[in-house]
Amino acid sequence: DAGVTQSPTHLIKTRGQQVTLRCSPKSGHDTVSWYQQALGQGPQFIFQYYEEEERQRGNFPDRFSGHQFPNYSSELNVNALLLGDSALYLCASSSQTGLSVKTQYFGPGTRLLVL
Amino acid sequence: RKEVEQDPGPFNVPEGATVAFNCTYSNSASQSFFWYRQDCRKEPKLLMSVYSSGNEDGRFTAQLNRASQYISLLIRDSKLSDSATYLCVVNQAGGSYIPTFGRGTSLIVHP
Repeated sequence: DAGVTQSPTHLIKTRGQQVTLRCSPKSGHDTVSWYQQALGQGPQFIFQYYEEEERQRGNFPDRFSGHQFPNYSSELNVNALLLGDSALYLCASSSQTGLSVKTQYFGPGTRLLVL
Repeated sequence: RKEVEQDPGPFNVPEGATVAFNCTYSNSASQSFFWYRQDCRKEPKLLMSVYSSGNEDGRFTAQLNRASQYISLLIRDSKLSDSATYLCVVNQAGGSYIPTFGRGTSLIVHP
């Protein structure tokens, strides 16, 4: 039983570029949440997708957008990259839309470096 | 004031020691609380939930003090393998239940 998978594992971009990160949820899960974890900080909630819609959103600008596909996989898009967007981006899946974090399984993350 | 605050440490302790971490939160209406463990360059993993009555899982004990708005994690008989960052997580109330993570406390257990 595959857990949460994310791709790519590492990514280097330059300021102003756009990036797309991908996440496949754990088998049986239909809800995907995205988090940003800057170095030395805890993860910060970006948004959550359920039934292909954004259900909850944290305090992130519109440059951060997402999508969920019918197979429950999800993408995180970040436009107009800033140096401060350098972070580990974590995807977490769960089997219901509730935001109780303890029901969420985290993927290994994508490390994004913006130069 | 940050919503969830933790001392980043590091806490450097010998094997067998007892160590305790605290985490304070600002929203008195917060509903649920958790401790996560994150190894270097890995994803966070749930360590334990924190209940008002306190709860214990082997060498780990978690406590919640609603009056003073903090949660604690006590680790007894520390092992080398306990070396990690411990994140406290608070599920905010108000309908959205967005989880808020602290910045984590680094624990280093040495021989």
